[in-house]
Amino acid sequence: EVQLVQSGAEVKKPGESLRIPCKISGYSFTTYWISWMRQMPGEGLEWMGRIAPSDSSTDYSPSFQGHVTISVDKSISTAYLEWSSLTASDTAMYYCASGGRAWDYWGQGTLVTVSS
Amino acid sequence: EIVLTQSPGTLSLSPGERATLSCRASQSVSASYFSWYQQKAGQAPRLVIYSTSSRATGVPDRFSGSGSGTDFILTISRLEPEDFAVYYCQQFVSSPWTFGQGTKVEIK
Repeated sequence: EVQLVQSGAEVKKPGESLRIPCKISGYSFTTYWISWMRQMPGEGLEWMGRIAPSDSSTDYSPSFQGHVTISVDKSISTAYLEWSSLTASDTAMYYCASGGRAWDYWGQGTLVTVSS
Repeated sequence: EIVLTQSPGTLSLSPGERATLSCRASQSVSASYFSWYQQKAGQAPRLVIYSTSSRATGVPDRFSGSGSGTDFILTISRLEPEDFAVYYCQQFVSSPWTFGQGTKVEIK
């Protein structure tokens, strides 16, 4: 069974850093690109960017380029989404997803709340 | 960037009725790279249709997709209670990959 397991909710202050994981099991980690999506409260889905686990190549949406970093640790089959300095507008649910035909597999989401 | 515009924003229907959801792209999208997702409240999205018309694993055959070029349709032939949700269209023919704003299918 394929599983993408994300961490629990995070509460951070503006200016703080954060890295949230997405641990993948059930298929060879390097098979599919892994994408991250943002969903702000009450809003739709936005694609943030993706990474190829095989060589760590990345592709970011212009809307998120320079504000987040996507990485992987192949040794533990985990992808990460990272911020160096959070702002209140980063408050959202974040999903990781992967798959061959489209995004067949999704994590359960990590809720990030940024508040002073 | 390819903009996807879904209509209607909200569809109010009764169980057993037919739902027709539309998605229009700002430029032509290859059918192989067009998908639909279902999202229920408090849950992660779920792939429903990929490559415009192929049902994802476990998706009942009352769901069907069609379209080409800039116009795509998701049809639910007879709504079941578990089908009431928000549906998003999505393209990955050119980066940045984009979603439509969503159509909410609600119980009338």
